[in-house]
Amino acid sequence: QKEVEQNSGPLSVPEGAIASLNCTYSDRGSQSFFWYRQYSGKSPELIMFIYSNGDKEDGRFTAQLNKASQYVSLLIRDSQPSDSATYLCAVLNDYKLSFGAGTTVTVRA
Amino acid sequence: NAGVTQTPKFQVLKTGQSMTLQCAQDMNHNSMYWYRQDPGMGLRLIYYSASEGTTDKGEVPNGYNVSRLNKREFSLRLESAAPSQTSVYFCASGRTSGSYSDTQYFGPGTRLTVL
Repeated sequence: QKEVEQNSGPLSVPEGAIASLNCTYSDRGSQSFFWYRQYSGKSPELIMFIYSNGDKEDGRFTAQLNKASQYVSLLIRDSQPSDSATYLCAVLNDYKLSFGAGTTVTVRA
Repeated sequence: NAGVTQTPKFQVLKTGQSMTLQCAQDMNHNSMYWYRQDPGMGLRLIYYSASEGTTDKGEVPNGYNVSRLNKREFSLRLESAAPSQTSVYFCASGRTSGSYSDTQYFGPGTRLTVL
């Protein structure tokens, strides 16, 4: 079983809709959880992180964490064509990040 | 601030050749990391350095060596390149203060092809 699993995608959403991305992790001792966005041919860039159960909002992005279920999600509200990218979930343990394979999102105009 | 820089951006090697990928950061971060990214497999950690003077193996260290030259620089060496090492290589750095908000920042990547 992989340490970090993401829904495989690709995910296609119409402009203005909500994109929902899911991630599960296997290590209950995991400390923090990160969402990165990666445009094609570019390096990952941090969107946001979360380490407490519940929701965390940053602009159009909301991260949700449920440690009991070992589940973290990212919601993108009012999706824009510029949100078309691959989204990587990462889990922090002992200074090291473990990444999921990513979910590719396409926002249709 | 340039953030994390990597050289070269592209490289083509023949099987058996050696090369060193260079990485530098100007954010005064303690930790530095080397990842490889292959299609459908996400980012996999090759080696990392939690602080100046220390290095440790990650998930896929075979065929690679690293050197933490100083706090700013962390290099990755392929001694005898193999086609299986064709990949995109990313260097990253992180503050690692022990806070749950410690974040890693990535360089632009090196696209390596081994023929």
